[in-house]
Amino acid sequence: KQEVTQIPAALSVPEGENLVLNCSFTDSAIYNLQWFRQDPGKGLTSLLLIQSSQREQTSGRLNASLDKSSGRSTLYIAASQPGDSATYLCAVTSGGYQKVTFGTGTKLQVIP
Amino acid sequence: NAGVTQTPKFRILKIGQSMTLQCTQDMNHNYMYWYRQDPGMGLKLIYYSVGAGITDKGEVPNGYNVSRSTTEDFPLRLELAAPSQTSVYFCASSYSGQGADKPQHFGDGTRLSIL
Repeated sequence: KQEVTQIPAALSVPEGENLVLNCSFTDSAIYNLQWFRQDPGKGLTSLLLIQSSQREQTSGRLNASLDKSSGRSTLYIAASQPGDSATYLCAVTSGGYQKVTFGTGTKLQVIP
Repeated sequence: NAGVTQTPKFRILKIGQSMTLQCTQDMNHNYMYWYRQDPGMGLKLIYYSVGAGITDKGEVPNGYNVSRSTTEDFPLRLELAAPSQTSVYFCASSYSGQGADKPQHFGDGTRLSIL
């Protein structure tokens, strides 16, 4: 059974700092890995999707990497801003396109 | 584009009542999903559908039913509401095909309380 872990559960950083969020998964036979952002009371917004054949994806100040062999992914946020404050969730698709397993998220607070 | 639309946004039910959570998407996605999110927990898959007329159970299907008569709509039904079903319910859709994985798109959720 796939299990996804995100550490830390919460993180507080000053504005402008570069930061890394971590995601680990137990079964390396994945189709893809997604990073989502969730604002309070809202649904999830997809930030980046990394296919199993890829090593990383970039979008603006965000860079996500994938190391299947070690079962790890990181989300790098450059020059953090207060608007980046949200909960970030990692999700892996494995055992079929319909089997998406989510981590419990990292709650990020960027302090002005 | 509306994306994924869920109704209602909030609902309070009494134990034993039934209701249907509505979900519709306008992106012509083949895959649709229902999740529940409990405080401090990751999202749990309730049911999913890979296309019209095809549905299957996810991780926590007990107490729920679904149907998928069209590509656009994927309603979730609670037959006999129980306090354990108090949660936030999210519907999502995606296009998945050989070599064409696309990200999941989520609705804003339905906040359901069973009293």
